[in-house]
Amino acid sequence: NAGVTQTPKFQVLKTGQSMTLQCAQDMNHNSMYWYRQDPGMGLRLIYYSASEGTTDKGEVPNGYNVSRLNKREFSLRLESAAPSQTSVYFCASSEAGLGVYRHSGANVLTFGAGSRLTVL
Amino acid sequence: DAKTTQPTSMDCAEGRAANLPCNHSTISGNEYVYWYRQIHSQGPQYIIHGLKNNETNEMASLIITEDRKSSTLILPHATLRDTAVYYCIVRAPNTGTASKLTFGTGTRLQVTL
Repeated sequence: NAGVTQTPKFQVLKTGQSMTLQCAQDMNHNSMYWYRQDPGMGLRLIYYSASEGTTDKGEVPNGYNVSRLNKREFSLRLESAAPSQTSVYFCASSEAGLGVYRHSGANVLTFGAGSRLTVL
Repeated sequence: DAKTTQPTSMDCAEGRAANLPCNHSTISGNEYVYWYRQIHSQGPQYIIHGLKNNETNEMASLIITEDRKSSTLILPHATLRDTAVYYCIVRAPNTGTASKLTFGTGTRLQVTL
């Protein structure tokens, strides 16, 4: 099992360029998430998706769009990149989701290895 | 979700037990305590979780006080590879929405020779 796979691992953009970060999980999880992490700070939730076809804003959604393409894939798009979006981005998934039996282990998040984005 | 408070940093000698505290004084009766850690530049990794009974797995032990207002993650024999940021999170099983987990800044554990 690969778990959660993110691509690309590294990317350098110029201000104003667009790009999409891809995330896929093979654990049949219902919920997927995008976080960003800036130096010296904790993880901040950008967007999340409780099930295929649904997405919701997290703490810092401005400047981003997401698509839950199917149960496996959740992409994060930067339409016009800004230097403030320089960060490490983590995708995660969990079993818990809408209409799914919920036990304590269903809330456990599995994270990807991260995508380091630099916007010049 | 209940908020948590953790020390910013801690040191531990290799081979000794590392005891990482977490305060969650506003925890509700159905909320679990989850612990994750993040080794430098890697994605966070789940360690353990519990409700009110002490829990142990191959990675660590979790001790939750009787009033559930605080907990301690114990790494029984810390190694240099345990140097990481440790996050304590409190969360109830889902009640119909996604698990909108938020992470604080955690405790930076430095294991030294």
